[in-house]
Amino acid sequence: GDSVTQMEGPVTLSEEAFLTINCTYTATGYPSLFWYVQYPGEGLQLLLKATKADDKGSNKGFEATYRKETTSFHLEKGSVQVSDSAVYFCALWGGGAQKLVFGQGTRLTINP
Amino acid sequence: DAGVIQSPRHEVTEMGQEVTLRCKPISGHDYLFWYRQTMMRGLELLIYFNNNVPIDDSGMPEDRFSAKMPNASFSTLKIQPSEPRDSAVYFCASIVGGSTDTQYFGPGTRLTVL
Repeated sequence: GDSVTQMEGPVTLSEEAFLTINCTYTATGYPSLFWYVQYPGEGLQLLLKATKADDKGSNKGFEATYRKETTSFHLEKGSVQVSDSAVYFCALWGGGAQKLVFGQGTRLTINP
Repeated sequence: DAGVIQSPRHEVTEMGQEVTLRCKPISGHDYLFWYRQTMMRGLELLIYFNNNVPIDDSGMPEDRFSAKMPNASFSTLKIQPSEPRDSAVYFCASIVGGSTDTQYFGPGTRLTVL
């Protein structure tokens, strides 16, 4: 079945560092890909998405490019801030199942 | 729009008691999802509905769990009897059909079973 694998956390960085969180997927067909973010004490919210190969999703300085050849959707940000501390989930929606398939989440902590 | 509404936000109960969690999806959304989140197992999909009909309940852990959606604006997740291992944050989410749409999550219900 469809699956998503994220780099294991936790990830700890200093403010203004470059961020990469790796995400790879396995799916039949051509899924849509998402990054969701969960701030402490809150539900998940959409950060960005891409619906077809080579699309780049971007929001709040974060970017991710849908790479069909490597089945990847890595999340990047050039200069992180303390307020980016959260748990990040990679997800896909595709194949026959009408539901999101989530990765295990990566906890990110940014120190001032 | 108020977003997805869940109640209660926090629930503390004793083992063996019945627990009912409630969710009001965003108006016009035709899919509703129930998730459970724990440190050990992460985010798990329990069940989802389309147009009030349960489509996939393969994630429901056992017969103690049941979910209903009597109409388009209300769903419940019931645990009877509750056990300490059911302690988790339960999220409800809704989406208007379509693979490219955003799934909106509620704030969650933190359940503690003593």
